Amino acid sequence: DADVTQTPRNRITKTGKRIMLECSQTKGHDRMYWYRQDPGLGLRLIYYSFDVKDINKGEISDGYSVSRQAQAKFSLSLESAIPNQTALYFCATSDHRTTEAFFGQGTRLTVV
Amino acid sequence: GQQLNQSPQSMFIQEGEDVSMNCTSSSIFNTWLWYKQDPGEGPVLLIALYKAGELTSNGRLTAQFGITRKDSFLNISASIPSDVGIYFCAGRPGANSKLTFGKGITLSVRP
Repeated sequence: DADVTQTPRNRITKTGKRIMLECSQTKGHDRMYWYRQDPGLGLRLIYYSFDVKDINKGEISDGYSVSRQAQAKFSLSLESAIPNQTALYFCATSDHRTTEAFFGQGTRLTVV
Repeated sequence: GQQLNQSPQSMFIQEGEDVSMNCTSSSIFNTWLWYKQDPGEGPVLLIALYKAGELTSNGRLTAQFGITRKDSFLNISASIPSDVGIYFCAGRPGANSKLTFGKGITLSVRP
């Protein structure tokens, strides 16, 4: 089983709909992140959390919100999806004692 | 904020060739990481570097933490078709800083 699990893996949704992407981890890490990947733009940080109840905006947080329900779970919401939010979304985790981030397999989101 | 520069965006090499990629920053980092992303998958950590001048190998891959702490290099020797993918560098200026990623280099290997 994957250490960092994202659900769903693929999702097509309509403009204006609310959608939630979920991430859970079994690595015991305290830090969790949401990234967005677009061709040629690399990985851009949306939100990150260093612990439960800690939420921080990344470089492209507009149009997104997150919830850290437990140390192992970090969900990303699009309150009203728009087509330019079509992208590949990755959740990642890390431990405060080390630097390495570990990624989930990604969620491909298409907004039509 | 910090930016990491990786260029070119794409590289094309022949199977068996060596390839070198670098990553530069305008500010100092105390950790450098190299990731590879296979098509349809999440990035996977290849090598982590923690000290200026450090040279670390992982099979056919070798990475170095630049002496100035503003750059890092990744070398792949004797490339094979499964080396195809996107290679990202990432760095962190301090322990409680967030990880910054480069835009990645897409590597293609011709058989």
